[in-house]
Amino acid sequence: DQQVKQNSPSLSVQEGRISILNCDYTNSMFDYFLWYKKYPAEGPTFLISISSIKDKNEDGRFTVFLNKSAKHLSLHIVPSQPGDSAVYFCAASANTGNQFYFGTGTSLTVIP
Amino acid sequence: GAGVSQTPSNKVTEKGKYVELRCDPISGHTALYWYRQSLGQGPEFLIYFQGTGAADDSGLPNDRFFAVRPEGSVSTLKIQRTERGDSAVYLCASSLGAGLYNEQFFGPGTRLTVL
Repeated sequence: DQQVKQNSPSLSVQEGRISILNCDYTNSMFDYFLWYKKYPAEGPTFLISISSIKDKNEDGRFTVFLNKSAKHLSLHIVPSQPGDSAVYFCAASANTGNQFYFGTGTSLTVIP
Repeated sequence: GAGVSQTPSNKVTEKGKYVELRCDPISGHTALYWYRQSLGQGPEFLIYFQGTGAADDSGLPNDRFFAVRPEGSVSTLKIQRTERGDSAVYLCASSLGAGLYNEQFFGPGTRLTVL
């Protein structure tokens, strides 16, 4: 059973515009969330995180929003750049556990 | 470099064979994780080591899978009697300490193909 879902397998955005990647989860015990970015033939790299005590975390062009009541988080990238083209995974964990649960990923293409 | 390395990068084997996948974590990182990423899926947790011991092996799919980390550094994931369904990219990650708030650094993965 997929506890973390990314329902959009792909997204295309013009350079300079906003990219919005979405993620939904089902487990109400999840309290820590991350976004990873993955280029082909490389491992995922950490991008940004948010804990459940916050509803927003910002780092440069990247902002993650958390809506706990809706069990939904989103990653905003603005302005989008061609180098942002990659697969983005969201991941969630519960503080009682040792593992992250990953979504299936969204492939972002930023068109120059 | 100083990142997580995994060898081999690619492994092709026949059904029923035994394979070993190696992970060299970042020096000084005490926590080590193995994940499996099947086609079209996200990484799926397999096992977590803190030091030499497997602190959580709840993600190992069955007893054909086993992992060791005898000296608290390099880890080997071992798969016996491989099946076609084992084909996937196997990712290793390490972090400075225990707990999920420590950033996990991933290696490039080993792509395993079972024919």
